[in-house]
Amino acid sequence: AQKITQTQPGMFVQEKEAVTLDCTYDTSDPSYGLFWYKQPSSGEMIFLIYQGSYDQQNATEGRYSLNFQKARKSANLVISASQLGDSAMYFCAMRELSNFGNEKLTFGTGTRLTIIP
Amino acid sequence: GAGVSQSPSNKVTEKGKDVELRCDPISGHTALYWYRQSLGQGLEFLIYFQGNSAPDKSGLPSDRFSAERTGGSVSTLTIQRTQQEDSAVYLCASSHNINREFASYGYTFGSGTRLTVV
Repeated sequence: AQKITQTQPGMFVQEKEAVTLDCTYDTSDPSYGLFWYKQPSSGEMIFLIYQGSYDQQNATEGRYSLNFQKARKSANLVISASQLGDSAMYFCAMRELSNFGNEKLTFGTGTRLTIIP
Repeated sequence: GAGVSQSPSNKVTEKGKDVELRCDPISGHTALYWYRQSLGQGLEFLIYFQGNSAPDKSGLPSDRFSAERTGGSVSTLTIQRTQQEDSAVYLCASSHNINREFASYGYTFGSGTRLTVV
């Protein structure tokens, strides 16, 4: 079963509009963390935002916010006032304990976001 | 160093040859991870190091893949007898230890090594 599901392989959004990238997850670990990363065409992975499973409030970082709905196991990324530089692949990831006792990040398949001028 | 450094940035090799990929993590980061990203795909976990030990090798796709880490710092991923399906970008990441005090710290990724097997 997929641990992290991103159902939108690609999205096109008009510049300055807000955009929501979907992410659902599956875990039995009561303590986990959710991350969003941006990967521009240069290939680097850029950390955007983090949400802990026990955090009471949704995380925000500048134009990025995470819509965390724990009961629905969703952690959607919202980008407000999109910019041309936001065009990139976006990955949702979950940090959980592995069977070997270590923590690791499991990634979704990503969403390619294209901002249209 | 300031970031995670990987070398080489690009590697083209002939099928059947061995390759070594190097990762130099951020100083003081005890956890080190190798991931593989095939063209247009997400990131596939390969192996995790805590210090010099590798408690989780569950992602290594075959016994042709091995990795080591020395001095709690530099790590080398070795692929023996390379095959065309090994062609991918190999990403290394490091982070603070698994203490959840640092849970909000994301992993810091290197720029990757693009491996092409011809």
